[in-house]
Amino acid sequence: ETGVTQTPRHLVMGMTNKKSLKCEQHLGHNAMYWYKQSAKKPLELMFVYSLEERVENNSVPSRFSPECPNSSHLFLHLHTLQPEDSALYLCASSQAPPGPRETQYFGPGTRLLVL
Amino acid sequence: DQQVKQNSPSLSVQEGRISILNCDYTNSMFDYFLWYKKYPAEGPTFLISISSIKDKNEDGRFTVFLNKSAKHLSLHIVPSQPGDSAVYFCAASDAGAGSYQLTFGKGTKLSVIP
Repeated sequence: ETGVTQTPRHLVMGMTNKKSLKCEQHLGHNAMYWYKQSAKKPLELMFVYSLEERVENNSVPSRFSPECPNSSHLFLHLHTLQPEDSALYLCASSQAPPGPRETQYFGPGTRLLVL
Repeated sequence: DQQVKQNSPSLSVQEGRISILNCDYTNSMFDYFLWYKKYPAEGPTFLISISSIKDKNEDGRFTVFLNKSAKHLSLHIVPSQPGDSAVYFCAASDAGAGSYQLTFGKGTKLSVIP
């Protein structure tokens, strides 16, 4: 595997379910990001991790819980989501320190549908 | 309110001609700008960037122009090729403040017609 991979690619879940999105990067980076792209809205930054420490939480509801166990893996745990959380969730990685001057490499995304 | 606007949702250009994609921003603190390209079922890929201390940056067929007084940037692709057909996102940041945040536009879908 190369680059940034995300699993699953598609996910349908009910509002009472618990699920997790997984991201893995094979680029030797040590900063990772979660983004959300809702229909007809721009990409929005959710979380940033640098050297496995969360450095940014962009006012995201607590029903989204990120986890970064090591510099290669990033998870987004989902719990009691709402239909309006249906969106494309993108993971990205870059060299640390994170920031706009470090090129971010994106995964293909997980398309989430909350029923 | 959107701080980065791409007012054209779509653009069609003949192969070999110039493609010009536009982006406007409202936040005068933005000092670093990027363009990303996205194919269907793939994540965005970085294309080119420009710092506010410059007004032009060129990389092969891609040139980004920045007009700070107008708060406007544009991406020129010349000559356009069918493989350039994708959605192009403009993004901006207040990098000087140490922000991690990239503020994205909604994107412009470019179709290059053979």
